[in-house]
Parts: sequence; C-alpha cells; structure tokens
Amino acid sequence: EDQVTQSPEALRLQEGESSSLNCSYTVSGLRGLFWYRQDPGKGPEFLFTLYSAGEEKEKERLKATLTKKESFLHITAPKPEDSATYLCAVQARSGYNKLIFGAGTRLAVHP
Amino acid sequence: GAVVSQHPSRVICKSGTSVKIECRSLDFQATTMFWYRQFPKKSLMLMATSNEGSKATYEQGVEKDKFLINHASLTLSTLTVTSAHPEDSSFYICSAGKGGNTGELFFGEGSRLTVL
Repeated sequence: EDQVTQSPEALRLQEGESSSLNCSYTVSGLRGLFWYRQDPGKGPEFLFTLYSAGEEKEKERLKATLTKKESFLHITAPKPEDSATYLCAVQARSGYNKLIFGAGTRLAVHP
Repeated sequence: GAVVSQHPSRVICKSGTSVKIECRSLDFQATTMFWYRQFPKKSLMLMATSNEGSKATYEQGVEKDKFLINHASLTLSTLTVTSAHPEDSSFYICSAGKGGNTGELFFGEGSRLTVL
C-alpha cells in the first residue's frame, strides 16, 4: 500500500534558524513526489515536484531533495511568513495522477 | 500558473439538506479532477476521482450515494453532499491537472461545509 509519513508533526523555529522537514514514502513505482504549502483555510499551494533520486529543487529559502525512500524540505533562514503547513504527497505511475498525502508538518516561525 | 476555482468557499446548511460544491479549471481543460476531504489539523484524504463524461471512481469507504460527483464538462466538476449530517462538516478541496507527463495538480481554495 502506498504510504507517506511526515515528521515532525509540528516544528517551532526562531526567525533565521534553519531546519529540515522529512517525508518518508513507500510507493509501487514512483511517478513523482510533490511538496505543497497550505495556509489555514486555504487549498494547498504547489512548491516542487521531484521525479528521481538525487534530484534537488530550490525556491527562495526552500530546497527539496529526494532519495529512494525519503524527501527533505530544507528551510534556510526562515521568516515568519514561512509559517504554514507543509504537505508531502506521492504519485504512483499507475495512479492516474492521484496524490497520496502525508499528514503534514505545521511550521511556526517566530520573530 | 494554472487556476482552479471552487464555489462556494463557505456554506452552512441544515441537517437533511443537500449542498453542491463546484470546481472549475479556469485556464485549462481537465479530463480528471480529484475531490479531497480534510479534517482540522489532518491531511487531505482522497474521496473520489472525477472523470469527464463517465462515472466517478470512489475511494474505499466513501459512499457514492452520499457524495454525488458529476463531471459534465472539461472545466467543471461538482460534488453534491446529499442529506447532509453534522459529521459531514469538513473542508472539501478539489484539484485538477493539465495532463501530460508531469502529473502536477493544482488545487482549489477549498469549501468549508458546516452542517447544523
């Protein structure tokens, strides 16, 4: 069964304190691994897609990496506006674009 | 980027009534749309896959007579919660993809349903 586990559930950082969020997955043939940001009461906002082990992508203070078993979302020198829930999802090759989501990491960045 | 719009964003209804939520892809055609449900501080749970011109595919445990899905055109899918009960209160989110090989999905803003 395809499964996604994210850790930690919640993370509190001081502004400027870099950290990483983890996403472990099991999937029968990975088509893609997705990272989304979700603000309270809003739909998920697309951040990155990673397709193969070793791939990395960056956007502003965020960097996503992928191995055969897990993905990391690195946040460098975070700002309070980075506070949100970060969701990881996997898409199997046989899944008709269906995404299986992890429970998310709630990030709070304090000034 | 691609835009997916949901309407209404918030709805309050009485128990026993039915509520319809619309999901539109504004600048692309989507043969497939997905409906998710999200409880507070929980992740998105896939309810069903909506296929244009054919029946929706429901995930295990989701009642298809309770949650009616219609995908009448390439830009519109609707979710109707029939005979709503308080336990149906939740955040419902739709998503759609442009197709192709990337598999990237775009999400609507979500619809908050409260059943009294």
